[in-house]
Amino acid sequence: AQKVTQAQTEISVVEKEDVTLDCVYETRDTTYYLFWYKQPPSGELVFLIRRNSFDEQNEISGRYSWNFQKSTSSFNFTITASQVVDSAVYFCAFNKFYFGSGTKLNVKP
Amino acid sequence: KAGVTQTPRYLIKTRGQQVTLSCSPISGHRSVSWYQQTPGQGLQFLFEYFSETQRNKGNFPGRFSGRQFSNSRSEMNVSTLELGDSALYLCASSLGRLAGGHSTDTQYFGPGTRLTVL
Repeated sequence: AQKVTQAQTEISVVEKEDVTLDCVYETRDTTYYLFWYKQPPSGELVFLIRRNSFDEQNEISGRYSWNFQKSTSSFNFTITASQVVDSAVYFCAFNKFYFGSGTKLNVKP
Repeated sequence: KAGVTQTPRYLIKTRGQQVTLSCSPISGHRSVSWYQQTPGQGLQFLFEYFSETQRNKGNFPGRFSGRQFSNSRSEMNVSTLELGDSALYLCASSLGRLAGGHSTDTQYFGPGTRLTVL
């Protein structure tokens, strides 16, 4: 069975700090997809990224970057120079339906 | 393009009642998935509908059911409500493409329906 672990329940940082959110998954599948979503206080999940298991290239999008390492079954998410607007709960997901428990990020001014 | 819409946004029911929630997907999307989000259990998958058929199902009791119409709109029904059913119910839509037999395409979420059971 698939399992997604986000061990960090809550993280607090001061604005402009870099922060990394961890995601570890378990699977026996050779083909799979990983996702990250952001859930701001308003409640609606916002899609951030989708990666397949064959593409281990790191992805960068503005202040966001993702590090996918198949060897350690991890798909970590880094926010560079965090901003107050980044405050939200971030979810990692495996193959669309399997979500981690989420990491609440608090960015303080 | 309009996003995923869910109605109603808030609902208050009492134990034993039943409730129906509605979800309208993004135009062109044929897959609709439902999730229950609670502080204790996190985000849990209920079921996915594709072309009016249930394609995947999570681990929820039979009190939770759904259906999908020919226009891809979906409804979720919960019968004999329990206090523990209080949650944010999220609907997500996607094109519904499969990869390796698995549903793996990107889904887009609606704002949710917050159900309170008293």
